[in-house]
Amino acid sequence: AQSVTQPDIHITVSEGASLELRCNYSYGATPYLFWYVQSPGQGLQLLLKYFSGDTLVQGIKGFEAEFKRSQSSFNLRKPSVHWSDAAEYFCAVGVPLGAQKLVFGQGTRLTINP
Amino acid sequence: DVKVTQSSRYLVKRTGEKVFLECVQDMDHENMFWYRQDPGLGLRLIYFSYDVKMKEKGDIPEGYSVSREKKERFSLILESASTNQTSMYLCASSPRLGGQNQPQHFGDGTRLSIL
Repeated sequence: AQSVTQPDIHITVSEGASLELRCNYSYGATPYLFWYVQSPGQGLQLLLKYFSGDTLVQGIKGFEAEFKRSQSSFNLRKPSVHWSDAAEYFCAVGVPLGAQKLVFGQGTRLTINP
Repeated sequence: DVKVTQSSRYLVKRTGEKVFLECVQDMDHENMFWYRQDPGLGLRLIYFSYDVKMKEKGDIPEGYSVSREKKERFSLILESASTNQTSMYLCASSPRLGGQNQPQHFGDGTRLSIL
């Protein structure tokens, strides 16, 4: 069965510092991969997606992610975080059957120190 | 922009009540989903639907049912609410385009408390 692991439950970084959020997946075929962000009290917003092609994917809000098949990873990065990036981040893998479900990781909560 | 609207942001109900959570999307999407979100557990799929009147169980369907009578509306029903169903409930929709997973678009969630 497909699964997604986000090893870090909570990360704290200083404003202006670089960020990397880890995501590992388990899936037998070529995965469809997504990163979502959830601000407090709101739904999830898509940051970026990977379907195929270039393994470095650019998203909104200055985020990027790199697909590494050999490591089964899809880590999210940002060169310099802003206080408004404080939120919860979810990695998801797509299951292209029927209604094309997504399997989500447990989430990583990001805190920004001023 | 896609709009997924959940009828209530906050809801308080009593144990044993029948509870309806409503979700409407305005982009003619074929697929619709209901998740619950609990701290440390991420999002878990309750039910999903890939067409009108079609439904399939997700990972945690026990204690829930769904209804999709119209393409734009997907309802989640708690048949007899229990305290362990206190949670954040998220609705999502996505188009069905070929065999590719398309991004799901989410509503703002309903925080449900069962007393």
